[in-house]
Amino acid sequence: QVQLQESGPGLVKPSETLSLTCTVSRGSISTFYWSWIRQPPGNGLEWIGYVFYTGYTMYNPSLQSRVTISVDTSNNQFSLKLTSVTAADTALYYCAREGREGYADSNFDSWGQGTLVTVSS
Amino acid sequence: QSVLTQPPSASGTPGQRVTISCSGSTSNIGRNTVNWYQQFPGTAPKLLIYNNNQRPSGVPDRFSGSKSGTSASLAISGLQSEDEADYHCAAWDDSLNGPVFGGGTKLTVL
Repeated sequence: QVQLQESGPGLVKPSETLSLTCTVSRGSISTFYWSWIRQPPGNGLEWIGYVFYTGYTMYNPSLQSRVTISVDTSNNQFSLKLTSVTAADTALYYCAREGREGYADSNFDSWGQGTLVTVSS
Repeated sequence: QSVLTQPPSASGTPGQRVTISCSGSTSNIGRNTVNWYQQFPGTAPKLLIYNNNQRPSGVPDRFSGSKSGTSASLAISGLQSEDEADYHCAAWDDSLNGPVFGGGTKLTVL
């Protein structure tokens, strides 16, 4: 069973850049779509974006101007960068895998445990 | 404000059947399949139902999903105390060109 693990700073200052990495183990990063999803405290889930193993990306239009997602196939990792953060970006950040090879359709069958990122000075 | 609309809470007694609704539009549920996730406090969501009504391996058949038009429902029969969790619906949105989620429903087993 594939495993995902998020890593990165838990505290980011306003206006700075949030950076997280998801390490994929017990499976290859190839042939699947990989995603970042966040959940503000007490709220619902919000899709941030996808990356395919080829480097192809898709972003939520509401975040597109601030988001970059990249993939490192040699290390079985993908990463999130979110610039110019504010308190509204405080959330649990999850990395997840789409369940069908080569497809992106909101069917996330594997999730990391999540990492809380707080934006505060 | 979530794109898909779910009731914020639902409840039932052990053994009862409960349903949780998820309302969307033609750009999401109306044209695409619906997936449901179960989330316990402090843990990541877990895929519960995919492709409207399919259960991943290991999910009890007490859980079922259905879709009609621009709405979907999750039904839990023979409710158990261990089913107390948050439930989220999700679907691909053709306008967004990405997934959208409901706000989540907190299920309480009385």
